[in-house]
Amino acid sequence: AQTVTQSQPEMSVQEAETVTLSCTYDTSESDYYLFWYKQPPSRQMILVIRQEAYKQQNATENRFSVNFQKAAKSFSLKISDSQLGDAAMYFCAYRSGTSYDKVIFGPGTSLSVIP
Amino acid sequence: DAGVTQSPTHLIKTRGQQVTLRCSPKSGHDTVSWYQQALGQGPQFIFQYYEEEERQRGNFPDRFSGHQFPNYSSELNVNALLLGDSALYLCASSRPPVASRREVFGPGTRLTVT
Repeated sequence: AQTVTQSQPEMSVQEAETVTLSCTYDTSESDYYLFWYKQPPSRQMILVIRQEAYKQQNATENRFSVNFQKAAKSFSLKISDSQLGDAAMYFCAYRSGTSYDKVIFGPGTSLSVIP
Repeated sequence: DAGVTQSPTHLIKTRGQQVTLRCSPKSGHDTVSWYQQALGQGPQFIFQYYEEEERQRGNFPDRFSGHQFPNYSSELNVNALLLGDSALYLCASSRPPVASRREVFGPGTRLTVT
C-alpha cells in the first residue's frame, strides 16, 4: 500500500524568507501524481502545486516550487518570499495513475510565518 | 461560479444517532469524493461516486454509506455514531474521473459526536 510521510510536524519562517517542507512517499507504481495542498484555518483545502511522476521537470507555481526526486521517492515544497498568508497546514498527497483511485494524504506540516 | 458547497457547516450529534451530510459539486463536475479528517491529521478517503455509483471505497465500516443524485450532488450518511466519528468531513469534486483530474475541495462539515 502507498504511504506518505511528512517528518516535520511544525515549521516556521520569517516573512520574505524561503522555507522547504519535506515529504517522502512509498509506492511500487511508476505512474502516479503528487500534490501539495494548503489548509488555512478556514479549513478549505487548496491545491498549491502538483507533479506528474512521468515528468522529470520540477513543477513551479509562482513562489511555490517542488524538488521531485523519483528514485529517492522524495517530494519537497519550497516557498520563496514567504508571506503572512502562507501560514497554514500543508499536506503532501499521492494519487495512483489509475482513473478512480483515491488521494492519500500525509499527516501535514504546520507552517508559521513570523512578521 | 460557485465552488464545492457543503451543508451543514457544523453539527453536534449524540452517540448512536444517524447523520446526513450534503455536498454540491463545482459546476461542470460529475465525480464526488468524501474524506474524513480527524483533528490534527490528514484527510482519509471514505469513498468516491461517479454516475450515481460507488467507484472506490476506503477502509471505513458499512456504517458509512453514500449516495449520488442525478444532478451529481451527494450525501454521506453515518449510522450508529461513535465518539471517534467526530471529525471534519470534506467533499471534493472533479471531472471526469480520470487520473489527471484536479479535485476541488469544499469547506467541510465539522461533526461533533458527544
